[in-house]
Amino acid sequence: DTEVTQTPKHLVMGMTNKKSLKCEQHMGHRAMYWYKQKAKKPPELMFVYSYEKLSINESVPSRFSPECPNSSLLNLHLHALQPEDSALYLCASSPYSKETQYFGPGTRLLVL
Amino acid sequence: GNSVTQMEGPVTLSEEAFLTINCTYTATGYPSLFWYVQYPGEGLQLLLKATKADDKGSNKGFEATYRKETTSFHLEKGSVQVSDSAVYFCALRDMNYGGATNKLIFGTGTLLAVQP
Repeated sequence: DTEVTQTPKHLVMGMTNKKSLKCEQHMGHRAMYWYKQKAKKPPELMFVYSYEKLSINESVPSRFSPECPNSSLLNLHLHALQPEDSALYLCASSPYSKETQYFGPGTRLLVL
Repeated sequence: GNSVTQMEGPVTLSEEAFLTINCTYTATGYPSLFWYVQYPGEGLQLLLKATKADDKGSNKGFEATYRKETTSFHLEKGSVQVSDSAVYFCALRDMNYGGATNKLIFGTGTLLAVQP
């Protein structure tokens, strides 16, 4: 089983709201990733966690705050977003940091 | 730096036609190569991969061969179906992105539309 789950599937939020995206995997993978994908574009890496520690932050604005509470769970906390942050947010995981990444179905975010 | 170039889409084919989506890469070393597929409104699914030169990845009738001499990883399928309509992304693993990290470099994606 190579399933990564993400909730919610869709999210609409105002620019003053605080919300969180959740990603979960039960495959024992030790690396987890957040990507942002705009329409008709490839995914762009935002963050990488390896063994529950943040190993890569691709210069993402601080209004996006990742959290890895345990090896199965990855959160992305959102605060004071802008309309241009509207996108599909994808989570992925891999067994270790150098192996194949498996993606979740994504959360489609709309910022009004 | 490392990069992936894919053929521009959309690619429009009739059902049962032969498919080729070209992908070439620029990289130092020997990166692993991947094809991911994204169906409308969904996330990315790993379609196939190859980890060294001359490896052939295959899945669901799709194939791609890692050609180091031409730095290519073209995706092929002998007979496409309407259900294959999706966006296909070629990607490589950036081997120079730090010792313990795993960054994928994606191509721009190719939209495939298969008509009945």
